[in-house]
Amino acid sequence: EAGVAQSPRYKIIEKRQSVAFWCNPISGHATLYWYQQILGQGPKLLIQFQNNGVVDDSQLPKDRFSAERLKGVDSTLKIQPAKLEDSAVYLCASSFGAWAGELFFGEGSRLTVL
Amino acid sequence: KNEVEQSPQNLTAQEGEFITINCSYSVGISALHWLQQHPGGGIVSLFMLSSGKKKHGRLIATINIQEKHSSLHITASHPRDSAVYICAVTTFSGAGSYQLTFGKGTKLSVIP
Repeated sequence: EAGVAQSPRYKIIEKRQSVAFWCNPISGHATLYWYQQILGQGPKLLIQFQNNGVVDDSQLPKDRFSAERLKGVDSTLKIQPAKLEDSAVYLCASSFGAWAGELFFGEGSRLTVL
Repeated sequence: KNEVEQSPQNLTAQEGEFITINCSYSVGISALHWLQQHPGGGIVSLFMLSSGKKKHGRLIATINIQEKHSSLHITASHPRDSAVYICAVTTFSGAGSYQLTFGKGTKLSVIP
């Protein structure tokens, strides 16, 4: 069974530039999460999708971050414009259901903003 | 909002020692997850449990729903067990949605 795929693995940009990350969850998984993990900290939820609907985006900085999950399958997370404090690993995870499904994580996309 | 507390924050053990990491939470949950993250690596799900006890190899996870507490045990620890162990809970947040809340993690170092 293929795992959660993310790309790119690494990205270096200058502040005020834009960046996009892509995630393809495990086939059949209805729930998709984007997390931001700053070095030395636990993951912080940015947005949770159930199929193609947003369940929770309360911690997404909507002035610069956006995410979509068209057709309820893969998803993109965009940052525009990037700030220095956005340097982090962006993790995508999926589960079959939101209530108690086992979590599967991608390898993450490491962003460095200079 | 569920508060998830893990202890200890950091743990150093000698190879072969029995290790326990604890997790407590403040609000009733539908499931609890134990996750492992190696340095520079992705996160791997070790266990998902809502009651009782689960075992996989040298790893054992237990949960006490009444006390809102879970423990992760590692028997005969090995240097390759060195990683950050994260506890996360799934909580019903109303309107048919569920929230996942993470603890801050426990950094385990196993010395040969």
